[in-house]
Amino acid sequence: DAEITQSPRHKITETGRQVTLACHQTWNHNNMFWYRQDLGHGLRLIHYSYGVQDTNKGEVSDGYSVSRSNTEDLPLTLESAASSQTSVYFCASSGSGTGELFFGEGSRLTVL
Amino acid sequence: EDKVVQSPLSLVVHEGDTVTLNCSYEVTNFRSLLWYKQEKKAPTFLFMLTSSGIEKKSGRLSSILDKKELFSILNITATQTGDSAIYLCAVDSGNTGKLIFGQGTTLQVKP
Repeated sequence: DAEITQSPRHKITETGRQVTLACHQTWNHNNMFWYRQDLGHGLRLIHYSYGVQDTNKGEVSDGYSVSRSNTEDLPLTLESAASSQTSVYFCASSGSGTGELFFGEGSRLTVL
Repeated sequence: EDKVVQSPLSLVVHEGDTVTLNCSYEVTNFRSLLWYKQEKKAPTFLFMLTSSGIEKKSGRLSSILDKKELFSILNITATQTGDSAIYLCAVDSGNTGKLIFGQGTTLQVKP
């Protein structure tokens, strides 16, 4: 069965460290997204990609970057982690022309 | 600025009660409205609504969209403890999966 997987599922890091969260999907979807979820804010879009070599900023992109070198993967990098980036991160994907998102299981990141 | 607002933010009911969750939106280019259920982990898809007045139904859950008044409701009848979750409403403003989410409604169903 097709799926979308995230790793690591849990990570604790220190302020200033670089962190990369991996996202891998086997749906062969063109569209991939990173959201963060915080209490009281729902899901907020960080970055998204509509295909290989395409990346776009979402509403809360400061301090984050992504790259899309193939269809399956969209890693999210925190260049210099800050305590404000403590959150649960969800990767999601969708096929072209549909609105439905398929979500990964989430990565809980704690920045101390 | 595109916006999706859900109400109430939290709700506590007893098994057997009926609940109505609300979602209003302001977006520049509406394509569809989606409802998701989130338990411990990833959100799971419930409904996608694109046309006004057409009810979507799945078991005890149903949802309807009003594109004139810019809102949707999600009804759950005869609630069960397994319905306890966060219910997320989202709007697709470009048919590209770039969903704008509301804050979510946390529903707790007590035995």
